[in-house]
Amino acid sequence: GQQLNQSPQSMFIQEGEDVSMNCTSSSIFNTWLWYKQDPGEGPVLLIALYKAGELTSNGRLTAQFGITRKDSFLNISASIPSDVGIYFCAGQPIFQGAQKLVFGQGTRLTINP
Amino acid sequence: EPEVTQTPSHQVTQMGQEVILRCVPISNHLYFYWYRQILGQKVEFLVSFYNNEISEKSEIFDDQFSVERPDGSNFTLKIRSTKLEDSAMYFCASRQNQETQYFGPGTRLLVL
Repeated sequence: GQQLNQSPQSMFIQEGEDVSMNCTSSSIFNTWLWYKQDPGEGPVLLIALYKAGELTSNGRLTAQFGITRKDSFLNISASIPSDVGIYFCAGQPIFQGAQKLVFGQGTRLTINP
Repeated sequence: EPEVTQTPSHQVTQMGQEVILRCVPISNHLYFYWYRQILGQKVEFLVSFYNNEISEKSEIFDDQFSVERPDGSNFTLKIRSTKLEDSAMYFCASRQNQETQYFGPGTRLLVL
């Protein structure tokens, strides 16, 4: 089945630094989504990308849907303490009938004040 | 802002018992999903449901699992005879016509 490789697995940064994480796959995806998950809670949607090459921002967050449809990145600028959490990429496979989301392994972000 | 809700937030059960996890999707959404997340691991797809039938299921979703939309608002996941390895967070999600899925807060299931 489709696999998403998300990196890095964890990041330890200072408050105010910029963050970058990405997901890659050998398969083509129709849609890329980025979610944030706090401990004991469900994934919260941050950014949705629907077109190859699309670059979308949501406040300090910027994400891009790769031209090849096989990758996406998420950047967070000027990190703040509430950015701590686990970030997941998720993709919807492109073949007809596939409605599920395939998730990456997550990037755990820790911020030192 | 409308959101997906799930009950209970936590469930502890004995191995072999049946559990029913409940979800209320966002009201105008048409597609419903269950995912699970074993502690410390990624979120995994279980099943999708549209037009009152299962549209896709994963290999995890064996004959011990079933889903139902008993009325116009609830969407349930039943595990008939729980196993230790069923312990996980279970997330319900829903979407309208576009691809964006919105997730509920989850039910933490612990099988003893």
